[in-house]
Amino acid sequence: TQLLEQSPQFLSIQEGENLTVYCNSSSVFSSLQWYRQEPGEGPVLLVTVVTGGEVKKLKRLTFQFGDARKDSSLHITAAQPGDTGLYLCAGAPRDSNSGYALNFGKGTSLLVTP
Amino acid sequence: ETGVTQTPRHLVMGMTNKKSLKCEQHLGHNAMYWYKQSAKKPLELMFVYNFKEQTENNSVPSRFSPECPNSSHLFLHLHTLQPEDSALYLCASSPSLAWELFFGEGSRLTVL
Repeated sequence: TQLLEQSPQFLSIQEGENLTVYCNSSSVFSSLQWYRQEPGEGPVLLVTVVTGGEVKKLKRLTFQFGDARKDSSLHITAAQPGDTGLYLCAGAPRDSNSGYALNFGKGTSLLVTP
Repeated sequence: ETGVTQTPRHLVMGMTNKKSLKCEQHLGHNAMYWYKQSAKKPLELMFVYNFKEQTENNSVPSRFSPECPNSSHLFLHLHTLQPEDSALYLCASSPSLAWELFFGEGSRLTVL
């Protein structure tokens, strides 16, 4: 199993603030996905990054894949209460010998208060 | 209905009970998965089915028994569970293996 470390584990901020959460590994992934999970719900896919150094934007969310495809970051600008949730990163194995299952991090729990 | 639907949403059972979790996907995907989500742990993959065939079983105890009668339906049969099996059980589907996952809302299981 290729481990993914997410930091911080918990983050509580006020509406309007900016934040960055990180997803790091010593392993190389063919792609990396970010999901958001709200309480009582299943995770919902936000984005997939594939190319080293790739940057993707989704409204106020900016996702970056590290050049070496071992790490990723998620930056949220002007956070809103609706951004509250558990943010999970998941890496797809580089080769089929590692299996086909995504490897998930433990997640960053974000709380945005009005 | 669209997406991935799981039933029941909540289940409380004793250690000697037999129950089943059901998952149905309306996305035309070929792969289906069972994940276990416990507090302070990463999502744990339990079982993977691709075109109804089981491709992975991540050392899951035999008290969990999966069934995939067709590409749209997935079951998880539960028997003589332990309190530590209490968790959120998530079903997911994807167009193919190792592609992006579409999750259901989960079944919250409590074992007394």
